Amino acid sequence: AQTVTQSQPEMSVQEAETVTLSCTYDTSESDYYLFWYKQPPSRQMILVIRQEAYKQQNATENRFSVNFQKAAKSFSLKISDSQLGDAAMYFCAYRFRMDSSYKLIFGSGTRLLVRP
Amino acid sequence: GAGVSQSPSNKVTEKGKDVELRCDPISGHTALYWYRQSLGQGLEFLIYFQGNSAPDKSGLPSDRFSAERTGGSVSTLTIQRTQQEDSAVYLCASSPPGGPVSNQPQHFGDGTRLSIL
Repeated sequence: AQTVTQSQPEMSVQEAETVTLSCTYDTSESDYYLFWYKQPPSRQMILVIRQEAYKQQNATENRFSVNFQKAAKSFSLKISDSQLGDAAMYFCAYRFRMDSSYKLIFGSGTRLLVRP
Repeated sequence: GAGVSQSPSNKVTEKGKDVELRCDPISGHTALYWYRQSLGQGLEFLIYFQGNSAPDKSGLPSDRFSAERTGGSVSTLTIQRTQQEDSAVYLCASSPPGGPVSNQPQHFGDGTRLSIL
């Protein structure tokens, strides 16, 4: 069964510092995609970054980057130069094809606090 | 441009009543998903539409839950005889056609917060 685990319920970072959010997943698939979503109090899920499993190069989007370790099934998110607006819930998600459907499995989330 | 729109934003109803939640996806998006997010939890997949058909209903928790999509656009999620455990935020997402579907990111609405008294 595919599962996504976020072992850090809450993380705190000082403004302008760097923080890393952890995510591990379990799968027997070889072709899949991984995502990090941000959910501010407004509830809307905002795509932060995505990674194709077949790509060895780690994805980067401005201050956000991932450390994708396929063999270890690890997909951590690094936020550099943290800003107050980064405070939110962050969800790691794994997407795969099953039968005629594409499913997105989410972790339980990590709440990020940013200290001014 | 317009994003995924969900209504109502908040819904409070009495146990045993039926509720209907609406999702208006981004124009042209063929795939539509419903998720449920209980307080402090991650997202739980409910159902997936490709066009008007639902190839995957495996996440619907009981036969009190149903969903339909008409015209390949608007979708409604209906919960009959609501129970207190149905209280959650219900999120809808859509994704565009073209390219490997698994590569298409999902665009989420703001959700409907459902509270069952």
